[in-house]
Amino acid sequence: GQQVMQIPQYQHVQEGEDFTTYCNSSTTLSNIQWYKQRPGGHPVFLIQLVKSGEVKKQKRLTFQFGEAKKNSSLHITATQTTDVGTYFCAGLRYGGATNKLIFGTGTLLAVQP
Amino acid sequence: KAGVTQTPRYLIKTRGQQVTLSCSPISGHRSVSWYQQTPGQGLQFLFEYFSETQRNKGNFPGRFSGRQFSNSRSEMNVSTLELGDSALYLCASSWEPGTANEKLFFGSGTQLSVL
Repeated sequence: GQQVMQIPQYQHVQEGEDFTTYCNSSTTLSNIQWYKQRPGGHPVFLIQLVKSGEVKKQKRLTFQFGEAKKNSSLHITATQTTDVGTYFCAGLRYGGATNKLIFGTGTLLAVQP
Repeated sequence: KAGVTQTPRYLIKTRGQQVTLSCSPISGHRSVSWYQQTPGQGLQFLFEYFSETQRNKGNFPGRFSGRQFSNSRSEMNVSTLELGDSALYLCASSWEPGTANEKLFFGSGTQLSVL
C-alpha cells in the first residue's frame, strides 16, 4: 500500500549544527504538510507545500517539495534546544471519492546544548 | 477560539474492557480524524468522519469504531481491550478535509493504558 517514509528515524545534534529530515512517498502527492510534536505534546502544523519544486522558509527552517511531488525535506539551520521534537511529514493523496492524508514515520530530533 | 478538546486526558483499563474516547473539534470544523500513536511509532490513522459519515478508515480491527454527531463532536470506541491497545489516541479536526487547504488541528490526546 501507499507509504510515506522518513529518514532518519532519529538524529542527535549539538546545538548550532544543522539538521535535515527527508520524506519519501511511494505515490505522487497533491501536497505535503509538516508537523512538529514536542515531547509530551501533540502535533502542530508547521507548513504546507503545494507546487512542484516549491521552497518555503520559516526563519531557520527551510522546506522543499520535490519536482516529482514524491519527496520533501525539512532543513533546520543552526539548531537550538527549542527545536527538539519529532517532525512528521504528511502527504495528501487524491484517491477518487475521498482523499487521504498520510503521515510519515517521523524523525525525532535531539539537540544537545 | 477554543482548540480541539479530548476527554479524558488519561485512562487506565484492564484487558477485555471497553473504552469510549471523546473529541470536540474546533468550532466550525466538520471533519474529525483519529490517530493512534505508540512510543517510537508514527501516527497510525484510525478513521475520519465528515458530517456524521465515515469517509476513510485505516487498517485496524473491528474492535475500533467511531461515530460523529450532528454537532461534529466525535467518539471512538475500543471493545475487548488488549495490552497492545495502550497508546496515545489523538483526535484532529479540519475545516476542508481532503482538499489542498486541509490543515489538521490536533487535540492533546487521551493516554490509554491497558493493564
